[in-house]
Amino acid sequence: AQSVTQPDIHITVSEGASLELRCNYSYGATPYLFWYVQSPGQGLQLLLKYFSGDTLVQGIKGFEAEFKRSQSSFNLRKPSVHWSDAAEYFCAVGEPDSWGKLQFGAGTQVVVTP
Amino acid sequence: EAEVAQSPRYKITEKSQAVAFWCDPISGHATLYWYRQILGQGPELLVQFQDESVVDDSQLPKDRFSAERLKGVDSTLKIQPAELGDSAMYLCASSQGQGLREQYFGPGTRLTVT
Repeated sequence: AQSVTQPDIHITVSEGASLELRCNYSYGATPYLFWYVQSPGQGLQLLLKYFSGDTLVQGIKGFEAEFKRSQSSFNLRKPSVHWSDAAEYFCAVGEPDSWGKLQFGAGTQVVVTP
Repeated sequence: EAEVAQSPRYKITEKSQAVAFWCDPISGHATLYWYRQILGQGPELLVQFQDESVVDDSQLPKDRFSAERLKGVDSTLKIQPAELGDSAMYLCASSQGQGLREQYFGPGTRLTVT
């Protein structure tokens, strides 16, 4: 069965510093990969997605992610975080030939300090 | 920008009572999803509709949960009777077409069972 692992439950980063959130998946083939962000008490917003092609994908709010097949990873990065980036971030995977079900990781809580 | 609507945003109910949540997807989106998100975890799919048909309800506790999408537009998720362990955020999402696409999430309904 496919699975998604986000090793870091909680990350604290200073405003202006770089951020990297890790995501590893277990799946027989290359899945479709997504990163979502959730602010407190809100629904999820899509940051970016990878289906195929260029392994470095750009998303909204200055985020990017890199798909590395050899490491089964899809890590999210931002060069310089803003206080508004404080939120919970979820990595998700889905089978390309499926009805659309997504498997989510447990999430990484990001705290931004002044 | 079109959004997924959900109501109510918050619901407090006593155990053994019935509770219902409503979702109105983005216009034209054929696929609708209901997720449950327990505090500190990622969303877990409960049920998925393609138009008015259920295509995946493998994780739906059918002894107490039911979902319908009678006209293939809006949807209702019901719990009867509610149990303490049902306290969670219930998220609705929708996507265009069929198969794995990016999903757009509503703000969710926070359920507390006392």
